[in-house]
Amino acid sequence: DAGVTQSPTHLIKTRGQQVTLRCSPKSGHDTVSWYQQALGQGPQFIFQYYEEEERQRGNFPDRFSGHQFPNYSSELNVNALLLGDSALYLCASTGTENTGELFFGEGSRLTVL
Amino acid sequence: AQSVSQHNHHVILSEAASLELGCNYSYGGTVNLFWYVQYPGQHLQLLLKYFSGDPLVKGIKGFEAEFIKSKFSFNLRKPSVQWSDTAEYFCAVNLYNTDKLIFGTGTRLQVFP
Repeated sequence: DAGVTQSPTHLIKTRGQQVTLRCSPKSGHDTVSWYQQALGQGPQFIFQYYEEEERQRGNFPDRFSGHQFPNYSSELNVNALLLGDSALYLCASTGTENTGELFFGEGSRLTVL
Repeated sequence: AQSVSQHNHHVILSEAASLELGCNYSYGGTVNLFWYVQYPGQHLQLLLKYFSGDPLVKGIKGFEAEFIKSKFSFNLRKPSVQWSDTAEYFCAVNLYNTDKLIFGTGTRLQVFP
């Protein structure tokens, strides 16, 4: 049973560029959330997707956008990258069983130079 | 705004010592409470959770946590730590009927043999 998978694991971009991160949820899960974890901080909620729509959003600018596909996989897009966007981006999935447990991937580490 | 505070940023213990990690949250309404753990090189995983009922909850690997509503606290405990407990521990809350998790900044635990 595959867990949450994310790609790429590491990437380096320069300021002003755009990045797309990808996530496949755990088998059987239909809800995907994205979190940003800066160095020395806890994860911060970016947004959540369910049924291909953004259901909740955290306090992040419009430069952060996402998408969910019919197979429940998801993408996180960040435009006009800033140095402060350097972080570990975590994807988490949940299912209809509503246990409240999030299953996390290992993350995509983004470095913006 | 809702927040989670973890007062211990870095804890160093010898094997067999007892552990207590503090967690306080700020929100007056109904919350669900979680402790997640991140072992070196691994993804975040759920240690234990509290939704309702007995305020003393037991999780995996001998961990337990006590919800004290009057103190807005959800401290994590383990009577006797092992070297394999070396990890980063995150306390998190979500508001009742939402999926957005608010994390603390984490506590890094190092256990020496």
